[in-house]
Parts: sequence; C-alpha cells; structure tokens
Amino acid sequence: QVQLQESGPGLVKPSETLSLTCAVSGYSISSGYYWGWIRQPPGKGLEWIGSIYHSGSTYYNPSLKSRVTISVDTSKNQFSLKLSSVTAADTAVYYCARGEGYSSSWFDYWGQGTLVTVSS
Amino acid sequence: QSVLTQPPSVSGAPGQRVTISCTGSSSNIGAGYDVHWYQQLPGTAPKLLIYGNSNRPSGVPDRFSGSKSGTSASLAITGLQAEDEADYYCQSYDSSLSAQREVFGGGTKLTVL
Repeated sequence: QVQLQESGPGLVKPSETLSLTCAVSGYSISSGYYWGWIRQPPGKGLEWIGSIYHSGSTYYNPSLKSRVTISVDTSKNQFSLKLSSVTAADTAVYYCARGEGYSSSWFDYWGQGTLVTVSS
Repeated sequence: QSVLTQPPSVSGAPGQRVTISCTGSSSNIGAGYDVHWYQQLPGTAPKLLIYGNSNRPSGVPDRFSGSKSGTSASLAITGLQAEDEADYYCQSYDSSLSAQREVFGGGTKLTVL
C-alpha cells in the first residue's frame, strides 16, 4: 500500500522560505511516476503547485514558478518542496501526492496534508 | 477565478441521481486533455474518484461515473447516499501560452437532503 506523509514546520514567518518533505512508503520513487504538491487555503479550493518526475525533471505552476523548488531524494525515498518569500496568502494545507502521467496527471495517492500558517 | 468552472453547490435526496458539471475551454478540456474527479470529505485529503474522463479506480463504487464532451465534463452519482456528502473537484490541464499547468475546478459541495 502506497503511503505518503508530509512533514515540516507548521508556522513560517513572512518573507521566509517554507520547506516541506514528503516521505513515501510502499513504493520506490525511483521506479517511476510523477510526485506532486497541491495546496488548499482554508475554506478554499485546490491549487497545483508543481510536480517532479523520478528522474528529477520538474514542472511548476507558472503563477508560483519564481518561488518554487521541488526536489527528489531517491536514497531516502522522499521529495521536497521549497517556497520562498512567503506571505499570508501562502497559508494553506499542503498535500503531497503521486501523479500518473504528464499534462493532465491524475493523483491517485495523497498524504494527509499539513497546515502551514504564515504569520509573524 | 478557476479555469474550470463548477457549480458551488448541488443537492439531492437519498436514492436520487445528481450530476456535477465542469466547464472549461479550448485550452484545456476542449483541447483534448483528460478530466479527473476527486471527492473530499470534511477534514480529509482528496480521494481520486474518476481518472481519464470515465475510469474508476479499484474500490470506487459504480454509482460514480464520469463523462466528457467538447469543453465540458460531468460527474454523475446515482443512488445518492448520506456518505456521499462531500466536496467534489474536477481537474485537467491547461495549455494556455505561458500558463501551462494542472488546473482544478473551484469545487462543488454536495448536500444530501
């Protein structure tokens, strides 16, 4: 059974960098698939942040691209998200998920999500 | 404003059939990109309900079905049950110049009366 678990600080100060890690179990990242980050502001809808292929190639949401870095560590079977220069608008539940395919990738396994609040 | 438009809410009585629409444009659904659907119960992560327009993952009841035509897609739920009360999201890909990305609809809250 594939499982994903997000981890990282729940509180980040404005202008700092948000860093999250997603640990994957039950499947080896190096075997394939895309691995993505999706966020959901409180009471609002879902927003795709970006995805990374097991080889390391990435594609990002253009609206966040200048601030986002997604990386993969196959030795630890995990992938990470960094979002720089955060503001209150980046407060959200952040989910990691496994994606099938590219350009209209569907996400079949999701982490439980982690709430990140941006506040001083 | 989401690229994919969904009704904010729909409702139905137990046992009834409801549909949720997802309207896009020529740069996403109309361009041939697949549509996927997710169910999000309160306080939980989204769950994949339909992928590739009309395919159900293992374990999803056949009460849930998806279709796509032109620039729109629909999710149908038959034999409505109280446990179906949740938020539903469609997802596709948008190929607009300089803005290519995976996109979600704004979500639809299903209320079982």
